[in-house]
Amino acid sequence: GENVEQHPSTLSVQEGDSAVIKCTYSDSASNYFPWYKQELGKRPQLIIDIRSNVGEKKDQRIAVTLNKTAKHFSLHITETQPEDSAVYFCAASLRGNTPLVFGKGTRLSVIA
Amino acid sequence: DVKVTQSSRYLVKRTGEKVFLECVQDMDHENMFWYRQDPGLGLRLIYFSYDVKMKEKGDIPEGYSVSREKKERFSLILESASTNQTSMYLCASSPSGGRGGYTFGSGTRLTVV
Repeated sequence: GENVEQHPSTLSVQEGDSAVIKCTYSDSASNYFPWYKQELGKRPQLIIDIRSNVGEKKDQRIAVTLNKTAKHFSLHITETQPEDSAVYFCAASLRGNTPLVFGKGTRLSVIA
Repeated sequence: DVKVTQSSRYLVKRTGEKVFLECVQDMDHENMFWYRQDPGLGLRLIYFSYDVKMKEKGDIPEGYSVSREKKERFSLILESASTNQTSMYLCASSPSGGRGGYTFGSGTRLTVV
């Protein structure tokens, strides 16, 4: 089955700097890659997703890139703010309708 | 506007008890999922369902069962609770056909003593 590896497990950045979180997946048939943000004590929420027919997608300060050949995808957050502090999870699914397989999460701390 | 509701936020049960965790969604989603979340292990899939009365095992189904009698409700059952089932349990739903990501509930933090 699919396996998703996520790095780093913790990340600290200064406010205003960029943050990058990387994930790799094992099954080349995977075609849907969402990212979730979980603030302390709250539910995970979808922040951005990408499908395998697209190489990059942006939404304001957040972007996701996908390299199908290398089987990895990354989350980029620019101009980080304290409210970006949270745990971020990447995920992948073989087809859009199969369960998501999640990475183990990255705890991002933005230091003011 | 809460769309996926889990019946309990915190729950404390004794070893050996039968435990029911309830999840209800109001988005008319076909798919529903139960994950458990543990520090350092991420989210692991317990069971999922694509339709009423359908259920499929996930990666860690041992010690759990599920019930989906109505489209909007997906119940997780711990047949005989054990201390290693102490965890945060997250329910999620999604539309069929991969048309969208998951919507998660707020989670139930279960402690088995």
